[in-house]
Amino acid sequence: QKEVEQNSGPLSVPEGAIASLNCTYSDRVSQSFFWYRQYSGKSPELIMSIYSNGDKEDGRFTAQLNKASQYVSLLIRDSQPSDSATYLCAVNIYGGSQGNLIFGKGTKLSVKP
Amino acid sequence: NAGVMQNPRHLVRRRGQEARLRCSPVKGHSHVYWYRQLPEEGLKFMVYLQKENIIDESGMPKERFSAEFPKEGPSILRIQQVVRGDSAAYFCASSPARVTGGYGYTFGSGTRLTVV
Repeated sequence: QKEVEQNSGPLSVPEGAIASLNCTYSDRVSQSFFWYRQYSGKSPELIMSIYSNGDKEDGRFTAQLNKASQYVSLLIRDSQPSDSATYLCAVNIYGGSQGNLIFGKGTKLSVKP
Repeated sequence: NAGVMQNPRHLVRRRGQEARLRCSPVKGHSHVYWYRQLPEEGLKFMVYLQKENIIDESGMPKERFSAEFPKEGPSILRIQQVVRGDSAAYFCASSPARVTGGYGYTFGSGTRLTVV
């Protein structure tokens, strides 16, 4: 059973701080990795994707991937109250039988003003 | 450029009735995925379809659930003889190609099914 694990939180950070969200996955052949943000009662929206080891930056968001450790993370700099949401890690299982993206249960982030 | 359209947004069914959930993918997207989300739970994969074909239905219960994506028209997720445990948010997503190419999904706004 291929799995994606996330700390459910809640993770609470003060406004302006860096929020660090972590995700591990079990399938060594995974190729693509995604972070989605989901506000309460809303649908997930894609915020970052990463395919190669290292860091990828987009505005206040940085995704980090370490395939050897089967670990992907999302850093949110200068956190804002509007960043308060559940963050879902999703992993593409290349050629897998469980569809193409497996999602973690999500980490709930709360940014306190 | 409309995104993924799902309807209805909310659906209430009595136990034993049928539920039909519709999904129109982003224009030009031929890959459709259905996920179910229970309260405080993650997204659970149900089925992956391309036009007229079911590619992977390993996440869909064998009984009462079926899905289709006809050549013309939206994708349909059908739940027969609904039970209270079917109450959940059902999300549809689409992509222009297999996500092995690095394409993330675009999600619809979901259908909240409540079985009473």
